[in-house]
Amino acid sequence: ETGVTQSPTHLIKTRGQQVTLRCSSQSGHNTVSWYQQALGQGPQFIFQYYREEENGRGNFPPRFSGLQFPNYSSELNVNALELDDSALYLCASSLGGAGTDTQYFGPGTRLTVL
Amino acid sequence: QQQVKQSPQSLIVQKGGISIINCAYENTAFDYFPWYQQFPGKGPALLIAIRPDVSEKKEGRFTISFNKSAKQFSLHIMDSQPGDSATYFCAPGNTGKLIFGQGTTLQVKP
Repeated sequence: ETGVTQSPTHLIKTRGQQVTLRCSSQSGHNTVSWYQQALGQGPQFIFQYYREEENGRGNFPPRFSGLQFPNYSSELNVNALELDDSALYLCASSLGGAGTDTQYFGPGTRLTVL
Repeated sequence: QQQVKQSPQSLIVQKGGISIINCAYENTAFDYFPWYQQFPGKGPALLIAIRPDVSEKKEGRFTISFNKSAKQFSLHIMDSQPGDSATYFCAPGNTGKLIFGQGTTLQVKP
């Protein structure tokens, strides 16, 4: 059984650029959630995708957008990057459906915005 | 709005001792109460979790105690080991969205 994988591991961008981060969910999981973890803080919920539809969103501006594909892998896109977007971006997969299921996290993508 | 408050912020325990971390929450709609462990440079890993219909759950050296009326739950690590040194997060959830605490850095001294 393959765990959650994310790519790339590290990324450096400049302010105003756009970035795409990728996540492959754990085998059999149909739900992907994205979190942003600033240095020294707990992860903050960005949004969740369930069977290719957005299924809940945290307090993040519209320049944070996402996609989920038929194989349940997912992308996080961030437009017009700001310095404060520098963080570890975490993807978590779960079985989904009603209620809250155990979320399994990937290793994250470290984004640095200069 | 700080929905989840974790304490203490940091903790130093001797090897073999008991580590206790507390989590207080505000949202009574939370239906899932996990603790995650995170090592530097890694993603959080689920340690143990509880549902609101149970007051305590034990898995090996790790125990969750849940007090629904006080809106609190805690993590107890028995016989703490140097390998337990990490950051611990409570992350109560509702409808699939987890709200993480600020984290507790645990150092277990040999």
